[in-house]
Amino acid sequence: GDSVTQMEGPVTLSEEAFLTINCTYTATGYPSLFWYVQYPGEGLQLLLKATKADDKGSNKGFEATYRKETTSFHLEKGSVQVSDSAVYFCALTHTDKLIFGTGTRLQVFP
Amino acid sequence: SQTIHQWPATLVQPVGSPLSLECTVEGTSNPNLYWYRQAAGRGLQLLFYSVGIGQISSEVPQNLSASRPQDRQFILSSKKLLLSDSGFYLCAWIQGSSYNEQFFGPGTRLTVL
Repeated sequence: GDSVTQMEGPVTLSEEAFLTINCTYTATGYPSLFWYVQYPGEGLQLLLKATKADDKGSNKGFEATYRKETTSFHLEKGSVQVSDSAVYFCALTHTDKLIFGTGTRLQVFP
Repeated sequence: SQTIHQWPATLVQPVGSPLSLECTVEGTSNPNLYWYRQAAGRGLQLLFYSVGIGQISSEVPQNLSASRPQDRQFILSSKKLLLSDSGFYLCAWIQGSSYNEQFFGPGTRLTVL
């Protein structure tokens, strides 16, 4: 069945470092791909999305490109801030629901 | 604008007691509704989803149940809680296709002792 695999965390970085969180997927058809972010004690909120191959989603300095040839949707940011510390979830659409990865915790230190 | 509410925000219950968590959505009609559980340090597990009143799909067999008595109300219940039911419960909704953004509520933290 369809699935999402994320790199295990935590990812620990110093402020202004470059961030990559890997996400790969297995799916039949052509799903849309999402990154959601969860700040401590809160629900999830959409960070960015891409609906077809080669689309690039971007928001708040984060980017991810839908790569069909490598079935990947890696999240990147050029310079992280302490306020980016959160758990990041990769997800794909599957009929009436989303399938989430297990989440990757990012910790950014000053 | 649309908003989603969950209550209570936190709950501490003894093993074997009943459970009722409520989720309501405002500002939209006929949304798809979802219940997730997030155990400590783990990812999201989809428990139930509903595409309409009285329509419930269960993803994982367990001692929980869900009901949708009204278009914008989604309830998660249990007759007897287990220790393993502890976690962070999130309600979410989508308007229309799952290709759209899924909006999450603030969550309920349940501790079963």
